[in-house]
Amino acid sequence: DTEVTQTPKHLVMGMTNKKSLKCEQHMGHRAMYWYKQKAKKPPELMFVYSYEKLSINESVPSRFSPECPNSSLLNLHLHALQPEDSALYLCASSQNALVGGGIGTGELFFGEGSRLTVL
Amino acid sequence: KNEVEQSPQNLTAQEGEFITINCSYSVGISALHWLQQHPGGGIVSLFMLSSGKKKHGRLIATINIQEKHSSLHITASHPRDSAVYICAVRSETSGSRLTFGEGTQLTVNP
Repeated sequence: DTEVTQTPKHLVMGMTNKKSLKCEQHMGHRAMYWYKQKAKKPPELMFVYSYEKLSINESVPSRFSPECPNSSLLNLHLHALQPEDSALYLCASSQNALVGGGIGTGELFFGEGSRLTVL
Repeated sequence: KNEVEQSPQNLTAQEGEFITINCSYSVGISALHWLQQHPGGGIVSLFMLSSGKKKHGRLIATINIQEKHSSLHITASHPRDSAVYICAVRSETSGSRLTFGEGTQLTVNP
């Protein structure tokens, strides 16, 4: 199984809603990532979890709250979002993550993404 | 100047043509990734390179560490190859962070 599964594929929410995006992988990877991608732009890193601990937060607003309940699951909790947060949210995983340097962390496997629209 | 520059930005080809997409970077790297993204879709990792050359089916990726340059080649292109191709590098000091190029939009016409 070399898949990263993201749900839901599409999500429409109001600015007062609370919702969650989910990501799952069963490749035994110990690093999981959230990226945000706006149209016609490259992905922007949001968070990195390594061995279920948050290792990188790229100064993401607190209305985005990540959670890694176990080594296979990664959630992104959404609350009080703004219309400019509308984007494709991509989850990825890799065998491991080396923060702050190292010889590399292995191939990245991406999910299909969750397309979020904030009204 | 971006740390990762791709060329061309847009490329239109006829089915069957040989295609080359280039990526130049300005930092020392531990790995370079070539990624593919179809419209509205997720990203597929095509190659991860730290030296030399890799081949998978009709796709070939090469990297020249001294010149800080990588190329992605597609032989016998097909309309299903139409996608955005993204070069991303992991610098020697950035750990888990990738620096992405702006992508190359490839359209292969039948």
